[in-house]
Amino acid sequence: EIVLTQSPATLSLSPGERATLSCRASQSISSYLGWYQQKPGQAPRLLIYDASNRATGIPARFSGSGSGTDFILTISGLEPEDFAVYYCQQRSNWPLTFGGGTKVEIK
Amino acid sequence: QVQVVESGGGVVQPGGSLRLSCAASGFTFSYYGMFWVRQAPGQGLEWVAFIRYDGSDKYYADSVKGRFAISRDNSKNTLFLQMNSLRGDDTAVYYCAKRLLTGGFYYYMDAWGKGTTVTVSS
Repeated sequence: EIVLTQSPATLSLSPGERATLSCRASQSISSYLGWYQQKPGQAPRLLIYDASNRATGIPARFSGSGSGTDFILTISGLEPEDFAVYYCQQRSNWPLTFGGGTKVEIK
Repeated sequence: QVQVVESGGGVVQPGGSLRLSCAASGFTFSYYGMFWVRQAPGQGLEWVAFIRYDGSDKYYADSVKGRFAISRDNSKNTLFLQMNSLRGDDTAVYYCAKRLLTGGFYYYMDAWGKGTTVTVSS
């Protein structure tokens, strides 16, 4: 099973700042990584798939990069609605696995 | 618009069974693979099961293999999760989700329901 480790666990930032979230895989997963956003009481929303492709309707301030074992989700300027928990997910191997999440909170 | 709506959750005793349903609309259900994903209280996301568009292949997390069964009825645009031998650590919100694309190996979830809560407790 591929383990995804997200860091940091919590990121405290102010609106307008840049957020950089990390996801590291226990083995190479090529570019087969997605990112999801989840707000309290809501279902997750797909942001990025295959490392760098924005899903339909996702604002351009969200971008993804990386390949192999190290991946980054960048939010270029935090909007109030971006404060949430973010999860990465790999589709390289079964079973599909998620990272433990990074909470982006208001500083 | 694309919509998936889960139902069937509830409180069940350890060792009991429950069947979840997911009604899909707004897309051609029979073209898309479907997932179940769960989230224990205060915890992260855990993929549970996947079924191909035509039901020909099914995949399960090790934690549910042999106890849970995913199935679908394309004539009724409905996905199911039969859960047997339920345990306390199965307590979670269960989400139904649609696969991102019809072809290739894009095993991502691009449309989610609001979830249905399963509580396993005596």
